[in-house]
Amino acid sequence: NAGVIQTPRHKVTGKGQEATLWCEPISGHSAVFWYRQTIVQGLEFLTYFRNQAPIDDSGMPKERFSAQMPNQSHSTLKIQSTQPQDSAVYLCASSSSTGGAYQDTQYFGPGTRLLVL
Amino acid sequence: AQSVTQPDARVTVSEGASLQLRCKYSYSGTPYLFWYVQYQRQGLQLLLKYYSGDPVVQGVNGFEAEFSKSDSSFHLRKASVHWSDSAVYFCAAEADSGTYQRFGTGTKLQVVP
Repeated sequence: NAGVIQTPRHKVTGKGQEATLWCEPISGHSAVFWYRQTIVQGLEFLTYFRNQAPIDDSGMPKERFSAQMPNQSHSTLKIQSTQPQDSAVYLCASSSSTGGAYQDTQYFGPGTRLLVL
Repeated sequence: AQSVTQPDARVTVSEGASLQLRCKYSYSGTPYLFWYVQYQRQGLQLLLKYYSGDPVVQGVNGFEAEFSKSDSSFHLRKASVHWSDSAVYFCAAEADSGTYQRFGTGTKLQVVP
């Protein structure tokens, strides 16, 4: 089991460019979560999917950020017109959760470190 | 509003000493509770979790945590720390099973000789 895979591990973009971050959940897991980690804001929830359907995107900035899960093997987080304040580590997690408590452990990937210059 | 608070940004302990890292939560009910460790430039690793039952839960590497409903706390403990325990520790809460987790700001633990 390779765990949650996130690519790229590091990304540098110029202000105004687009950034796409990829997450491959653990095989068989039905839920995928995206979080953002910064020194100032700490760990913040962005959005999550269950069985590929978007469930809650209440943490997503309303402009420029979007997430998709086109199939059960990967999810993407896209940031359009990146700004320096988008610089952060973006963490993806997956779980086998279908709502049952004991299936609920979230397994985190190593993160993608995004730097916007 | 729901929140998780870790009041200590940094904790320094001597190797071999005992450890307690504090976590308080504010939720309308009893959330599911978690402790994670993050080593430098790595992802989060789960130490332990609490859903219900025995308020003292055992985790990996000798860590344990105690849930207190009356105090709305979930403090992490270890009887004897090792230098390799130096890392950032996060407390997290989940309102309902399968939903997202809300994290505290983290406590950076430094173990000194």
